[in-house]
Amino acid sequence: NAGVMQNPRHLVRRRGQEARLRCSPMKGHSHVYWYRQLPEEGLKFMVYLQKENIIDESGMPKERFSAEFPKEGPSILRIQQVVRGDSAAYFCASSPSDRAYGYTFGSGTRLTVV
Amino acid sequence: TQLLEQSPQFLSIQEGENLTVYCNSSSVFSSLQWYRQEPGEGPVLLVTVVTGGEVKKLKRLTFQFGDARKDSSLHITAAQPGDTGLYLCAGEGSSNTGKLIFGQGTTLQVKP
Repeated sequence: NAGVMQNPRHLVRRRGQEARLRCSPMKGHSHVYWYRQLPEEGLKFMVYLQKENIIDESGMPKERFSAEFPKEGPSILRIQQVVRGDSAAYFCASSPSDRAYGYTFGSGTRLTVV
Repeated sequence: TQLLEQSPQFLSIQEGENLTVYCNSSSVFSSLQWYRQEPGEGPVLLVTVVTGGEVKKLKRLTFQFGDARKDSSLHITAAQPGDTGLYLCAGEGSSNTGKLIFGQGTTLQVKP
């Protein structure tokens, strides 16, 4: 029973490029959450998705960031025209319900913008 | 805006000592979770507390949820070097959508 799978583990992008981060939830989990962890800071909520729906995107920057969770395939967090300030660890968590019980985090994607 | 203040931010102790980490807020949370995170990895859930006044024990770790569900503490007895890591508290927000609000974390170092 695989856990939450995130890839890539490490991603290096030049300023202005696009970053695509993928998250496959645990089997049977249909609720996906994305968090960002800046150096020396705690995790900050970005977006909550269910299959084909964005439920809460209150933590997403208004520009350049988007997320999706299609009917088939992994959830994708997309960052367009990356800037140095986007460098962070991005974590995905999945849950079997819309509550915080049973939350499982992936190992994260470490994005470095050079 | 719901916030969680976690203290202390850093703690360095000798093996065998006891310690307590605190997580405080002015807001009520429907549940509160404690995680441990190793460098380069994602947070791993230690415990979820739901009821005000609830106490849960996990070997040498004791977790308590405040009566008003606004604060929590993590107490470690006889700390060991293997307890070294980043400890995070996280509260489930008022939206009841599973969105978690995290404290800033406590970096614990236990020296042999």
